[in-house]
Amino acid sequence: QSVLTQSPSASGTPGQRVTMSCAGRSSNIGTNYVYWYQQVPGAAPKLLIYKNNQRPSGVPDRFSASKSGSSASLAISGLRSEDEADYYCAVWDDSLSGWVFGGGTKVTVL
Amino acid sequence: QVQLVESGGGVVQPGKSLRLSCAVSGFTFSNYAMHWVRQAPGKGLEWLAVIQFDGSLKYYGDSVKGRFTISRDNSKNTLYLQMSNVRPGDTAVYYCAREEAALAGCGHWGQGTLLIVSS
Repeated sequence: QSVLTQSPSASGTPGQRVTMSCAGRSSNIGTNYVYWYQQVPGAAPKLLIYKNNQRPSGVPDRFSASKSGSSASLAISGLRSEDEADYYCAVWDDSLSGWVFGGGTKVTVL
Repeated sequence: QVQLVESGGGVVQPGKSLRLSCAVSGFTFSNYAMHWVRQAPGKGLEWLAVIQFDGSLKYYGDSVKGRFTISRDNSKNTLYLQMSNVRPGDTAVYYCAREEAALAGCGHWGQGTLLIVSS
């Protein structure tokens, strides 16, 4: 069982907005930056969001993220077929002295 | 361009040891912290270890602490993961990743190397 709890699945039709959550604890999300990764089947993960809500260059502004207390969320607006992937949150955990990933959220574009 | 290429995977018997490598190019390797992350078939990502740019600090995930050792050779632009007493549960694709400066996350990843632990 992951230290970070993610909603297992989310879905939407093209153009819709989809959100997903990542629940942690005070020792991880409550204290440190949250990162989000996108993984398309068969490919390596790709950095989507860093430092809670920052997008690396090249990541569309359709992707946005926020953090509140010990939880974080990722939103995809204007959903597109190429957004169909697994999304993982990650954070440093002070208690574990290590990084932890959430279990992942599978996004399906209907 | 930035490239990370893992190697060393394959089929290995339980209890054996092996070393994975991650050869990098296209950037100054000695400036960056590096990570190992794995993904078991059909499962999520699992962080394994991180090593600071100069090898001075290393941290490990609980599942591999004491069995796996991360190291680097900055003169060879190569990251390593020494694995001992491997178990069937270690079967996974192993990725190396570069941590970007200023806590900007793992922005570059290799393509992964598949390790199968089976008798």
